[in-house]
Order: sequence, then structure tokens, then C-alpha cells
Amino acid sequence: DAGVTQSPTHLIKTRGQQVTLRCSPISGHKSVSWYQQVLGQGPQFIFQYYEKEERGRGNFPDRFSARQFPNYSSELNVNALLLGDSALYLCASSFPGAGSVGQYFGPGTRLTVT
Amino acid sequence: EDQVTQSPEALRLQEGESSSLNCSYTVSGLRGLFWYRQDPGKGPEFLFTLYSAGEEKEKERLKATLTKKESFLHITAPKPEDSATYLCAATTGTASKLTFGTGTRLQVTL
Repeated sequence: DAGVTQSPTHLIKTRGQQVTLRCSPISGHKSVSWYQQVLGQGPQFIFQYYEKEERGRGNFPDRFSARQFPNYSSELNVNALLLGDSALYLCASSFPGAGSVGQYFGPGTRLTVT
Repeated sequence: EDQVTQSPEALRLQEGESSSLNCSYTVSGLRGLFWYRQDPGKGPEFLFTLYSAGEEKEKERLKATLTKKESFLHITAPKPEDSATYLCAATTGTASKLTFGTGTRLQVTL
């Protein structure tokens, strides 16, 4: 069975630009969460979407936004990129409503902002 | 504010030398405690979920335990392929937000 997939794998952007990252959850999973992982740190929660609705938001500025599509895939958008946005962006999926069940992560998108 | 703290930051073991990694947590109403393994440049790989104090789970050379304040990941007779960063995370309530620690970098040498 296919796991969580993310695209692109790597991305290089310039300060001030905008970026869109994509995620496809495991088949049957309806909840998608996004995390930012800076080198040497644990992942930080950005958003959770379930049934196309935002169910949780972490402490990130409004430059970060996301959405979930009818097929449960998701996009993360970041506007007005800053150097500090350089990180590994991780998508995780889980069973519907299963907040305390394991989340399964994709391979991540490495974003470099120059 | 929910907090998860892992120790040590880094650990170097010889092959076969057993040890434990610690994860202490301060959260309101723990719903689940998770352990993940992460290889460099890759996404975290799910290992275990623990739900209540006293619970234990095992997988090959790994065993996770949970108390009311902390969790331990015991590694028995590790091999070089066990080298990775081990992440601990906690979740509360019904949302899926995971609060992660900063991880323990484990290196197992021959």
C-alpha cells in the first residue's frame, strides 16, 4: 500500500516569493496535518484538516495557509517567504477522528529560501 | 503550555550495548504518547503509541514504556542499523496535534 506522498521533494525559493506544497494521504485516511521541522529540532504543528475543514492551527503567522480537497489531499501555501521558513515540511495522515492514534508521515518537502 | 523533553540529546553505543532513551512530558490530559524513528532527510517513521501509565509495547529490539510523567524507549542489543534520531510526541484532546520533543540522536557503532 502506498504511504503518504508529498511533492515536490526539494524546492529552492527566493525571499518574498510564494510556495505551494502538496500532500496525498494514505488511502482511507481523512485527516491531514502539516508540520515544520527546522534542522536539529522536532516537528512543529502548523495545521490539521479533517473532512476539508481546519480543525487545528499552530502558532504560525497568517502567511501560512492550507486547504484540503474532496479526495482528502492537501496543499500548504506560504506567502512572502522569509529566510527562516527554510525547513523540512512534513505532512501526516491518520484515520478519521483518531486523534490519539498514530499519525503516518510522508518523506517531506525540503524548502530552501535564499 | 504542553511540553515534551527528551534526553539525552545524543547517545553513542557499541553494538550489543543496551540503553534507554527518556521522554518526559508536561501536558494537560494526555491522550497518547508516540515514538517515531527519523533517518536523516526523511519523514518520521511511526513506532509505537502508548495510552496509559503501565502500558508497554515491543517491536524487535525496541520496547516502549509509559508512566504518568515520562516514557522510556529501551533498546536491547542494538545494531548499527538502529542508528537514527528517535522522536517522542504527545497528543491531548481530540485533535491530532502532536507536540514533539527535540529528539535523541542515536549512533550505534561496531
